[in-house]
Amino acid sequence: DTAVSQTPKYLVTQMGNDKSIKCEQNLGHDTMYWYKQDSKKFLKIMFSYNNKELIINETVPNRFSPKSPDKAHLNLHINSLELGDSAVYFCASSQVTRESSYEQYFGPGTRLTVT
Amino acid sequence: GIQVEQSPPDLILQEGANSTLRCNFSDSVNNLQWFHQNPWGQLINLFYIPSGTKQNGRLSATTVATERYSLLYISSSQTTDSGVYFCAVDSSNFGNEKLTFGTGTRLTIIP
Repeated sequence: DTAVSQTPKYLVTQMGNDKSIKCEQNLGHDTMYWYKQDSKKFLKIMFSYNNKELIINETVPNRFSPKSPDKAHLNLHINSLELGDSAVYFCASSQVTRESSYEQYFGPGTRLTVT
Repeated sequence: GIQVEQSPPDLILQEGANSTLRCNFSDSVNNLQWFHQNPWGQLINLFYIPSGTKQNGRLSATTVATERYSLLYISSSQTTDSGVYFCAVDSSNFGNEKLTFGTGTRLTIIP
């Protein structure tokens, strides 16, 4: 009964390739996020989507293209992979309302290694 | 943007000891969460605590929003408590929510 799931868990690929990471949440949330954790364990927001609409794009290179086919799914496509893209990518979701505050729930992460 | 500082950066304790982890932030927040990243890399939600005090078993947390800090208490530490503890906050307006993470406290519990 995983709340936020990601596939694949591990991804090893060569420089220049294109790859995708998929995320699904079954919590009924309307907002989904991608975060990147670098080799020093620092976590930073990349994108957020609310009801399939892009809300935040945190100065991420345009080689990264998120896509939300519906509010339960947020995928991340990366073109022309570079060594510096090696990291752990976390998907998260939350329910956002004007009246109440919210909590973000994270997926298990996808460890991307570019060689 | 908002700054988040966590202390100490590293903590090594014997099993059974108690610990206090601190998170300072530079602006008012509408969300504050504590996470435990276990040795397998999973981010586990511990507390959602933009203000007040909460307890869950051996863990408790307090956020004093007016003074811009939060504390995470771990009592009677177990080896399974090892990992990195992150504080994350959000100070953005409605519709632009995002968490800004601190650099974490690495906790090692020795049997």
